[in-house]
Amino acid sequence: SQQGEEDPQALSIQEGENATMNCSYKTSINNLQWYRQNSGRGLVHLILIRSNEREKHSGRLRVTLDTSKKSSSLLITASRAADTASYFCAPGANSKLTFGKGITLSVRP
Amino acid sequence: DVKVTQSSRYLVKRTGEKVFLECVQDMDHENMFWYRQDPGLGLRLIYFSYDVKMKEKGDIPEGYSVSREKKERFSLILESASTNQTSMYLCASSLAGPNGYTFGSGTRLTVV
Repeated sequence: SQQGEEDPQALSIQEGENATMNCSYKTSINNLQWYRQNSGRGLVHLILIRSNEREKHSGRLRVTLDTSKKSSSLLITASRAADTASYFCAPGANSKLTFGKGITLSVRP
Repeated sequence: DVKVTQSSRYLVKRTGEKVFLECVQDMDHENMFWYRQDPGLGLRLIYFSYDVKMKEKGDIPEGYSVSREKKERFSLILESASTNQTSMYLCASSLAGPNGYTFGSGTRLTVV
């Protein structure tokens, strides 16, 4: 399965600190995506990184991808209380994504 | 603002009922997907569709069927609802190829 496995399962940090979340997967992919979900709502797309890219930035987000290790990381810099949410990685083959179980991030004010 | 709209936010149905969950997108996306989300299990793909009248099984299609008669609408059907189908159902759509998904707000279905 190409399902992503996120690590850690839960993360609690102070506002202003950086949050690093990791994802591993098992099969070949052509892209990997990260999503955020606020409690009880739908998922929101954050960033997509293609298999031929190693790093990508979007605002306070930095994503890396290492296809040789089949792993990715999401870094949120200067975290805010509003970043409190669940984060999912989704390895993709063509149009189809398989989501992990998610990481619960709590940012304390 | 682009949207994926799910017809109901909360739904309560009885065991054995036929249940229809509707999803409509206004972005002219080729792909549409149905997932269910359960605590500790994450999101699991039920069915997806790459085009009108086309459908493919996901990881957990048993007990479900789908219909895509128009490009903008993708319906999930529970033929005979059971209590183990109590879950949050999420619809998503995307352009063809590796692109981000746009999700609806979800339908929380309770089968009693």
